[in-house]
Amino acid sequence: EIVMTQSPATLSLSPGESATLSCRASQSFSSNYLSWYQQKPGQAPRLLISGASTRATGIPDRFSGSGSGTDFTLTISSLQPEDFAVYYCQQDYNLPYTFGQGTKVEIK
Amino acid sequence: EVQLVESGGGLVQPGGSLRLSCEASGFTFGDFEMNWVRQAPGKGLEWVSYSSNSGTIRHYADSVRGRFTISRDNAKNSLYLQMNSLRAEDTAVYYCARRHWMGMGFDYWGLGTLVSVSS
Repeated sequence: EIVMTQSPATLSLSPGESATLSCRASQSFSSNYLSWYQQKPGQAPRLLISGASTRATGIPDRFSGSGSGTDFTLTISSLQPEDFAVYYCQQDYNLPYTFGQGTKVEIK
Repeated sequence: EVQLVESGGGLVQPGGSLRLSCEASGFTFGDFEMNWVRQAPGKGLEWVSYSSNSGTIRHYADSVRGRFTISRDNAKNSLYLQMNSLRAEDTAVYYCARRHWMGMGFDYWGLGTLVSVSS
C-alpha cells in the first residue's frame, strides 16, 4: 500500500497570501496518478488537479500542482476567501487507492 | 450534466446490514470505473472499494474486506455497496466517485449518504 503523507496539517494564512501544500508518497509512482482535491464543510470533495499538474475543468489558474516520484506540491497563489478549505492528495496508481490525511488552510 | 446520487444510508445497529445505491446520469456509466469513498465525522477521506467498468474486477480496503460487497448494474446506471456486519467504526458519509477515463483521479462525486452504526 502506498502511504500518502501531507504537511503541514494546518496552514494559517491571510487572503492574498500564497499557500504551499506538500504531499509525500511512501514509494515512487507515475505522476499521472497523483490528484489533489478541495473539500469545504458539508460538501463533497472536488477534483482540483490530476496528473500532478493538470487543472480540472473550471479550476482557476491560481491553483497549480507540481512534483514527481514521491514528492508533490499544491500551490495556491493569492488566496481568495473561497479557497479556505481542506485539501487532500490521492494516488490512484495502485490499489488500494490512498488519500493523504489532509491539510486545512485556515484564515489567519 | 454528470450526476451521482447516493441513497440508502441511515441508522443501523452494530452487526446489521445496509445497501447503498448510487444512481448515475449524464454519461455512459458502463464506460467508467467507479469507487466508494467514506469520511467518518471530522476525519479525512478513506477509499473503500473499487469496481471495474464491467464489474468483474473488485477491490476493497482491508477495513471492509469480507464484510462489504461492491456491485453494479450498467443497464440501470447504478452502483451498489452491500454492507454487512456493520461496526461503529463504519459510521461515515459514503460517497460514490467516478474515476476519470484516463485513470487520473476521481472527477465526479456524489453528495454522499450518511451511515450511522449505533445501538
